[in-house]
Amino acid sequence: DSGVTQTPKHLITATGQRVTLRCSPRSGDLSVYWYQQSLDQGLQFLIHYYNGEERAKGNILERFSAQQFPDLHSELNLSSLELGDSALYFCASSPSFSPSGGAGNEQFFGPGTRLTVL
Amino acid sequence: DAKTTQPTSMDCAEGRAANLPCNHSTISGNEYVYWYRQIHSQGPQYIIHGLKNNETNEMASLIITEDRKSSTLILPHATLRDTAVYYCIVRVGNNAGNMLTFGGGTRLMVKP
Repeated sequence: DSGVTQTPKHLITATGQRVTLRCSPRSGDLSVYWYQQSLDQGLQFLIHYYNGEERAKGNILERFSAQQFPDLHSELNLSSLELGDSALYFCASSPSFSPSGGAGNEQFFGPGTRLTVL
Repeated sequence: DAKTTQPTSMDCAEGRAANLPCNHSTISGNEYVYWYRQIHSQGPQYIIHGLKNNETNEMASLIITEDRKSSTLILPHATLRDTAVYYCIVRVGNNAGNMLTFGGGTRLMVKP
């Protein structure tokens, strides 16, 4: 158990709908990252928040947005869903955000949310 | 971040050491080597990381060559539960974020 929780575990919805995925980081971790894992794309970084501020964006679609709240939990909002958005969505947290890339930058992943768009 | 090359798959007998290689010939002086693994559809799990010295923790050992162009992750006594995809990632944090860039990894199959 990494200490990172994600809800819901599974989500089945229809095209065109909007969903919200929730992530609670490990206690004390200020950084939250979101990743998408689909069968054909592998694990892809979406977005990074540090202490409530957006720090980096990856290949995140404009239909997707995220935020990190004052209590440090984060939500990933996916709208106008398409069949291709079906994937596993992982959230990860890390203790700090250091340019050195060393200690404190290791990321701890949650169990993921499996999204199925029908 | 530097690109890494890993074998697509490897087999290992249960109880034996699993040695997973990774080439990162374009690594820069300030880039760390990280290893993660993903057991089927679970969230990736952090294993170990290092800069230039060899590292060991309760899960594994990391051996980095002197020129830092390659490394080996060693699982000293592999068990069936170690069957997973292992990712070698070379990265440096910067103001743009500390995201992880996952490649294809090595699919390790531990066999009885």
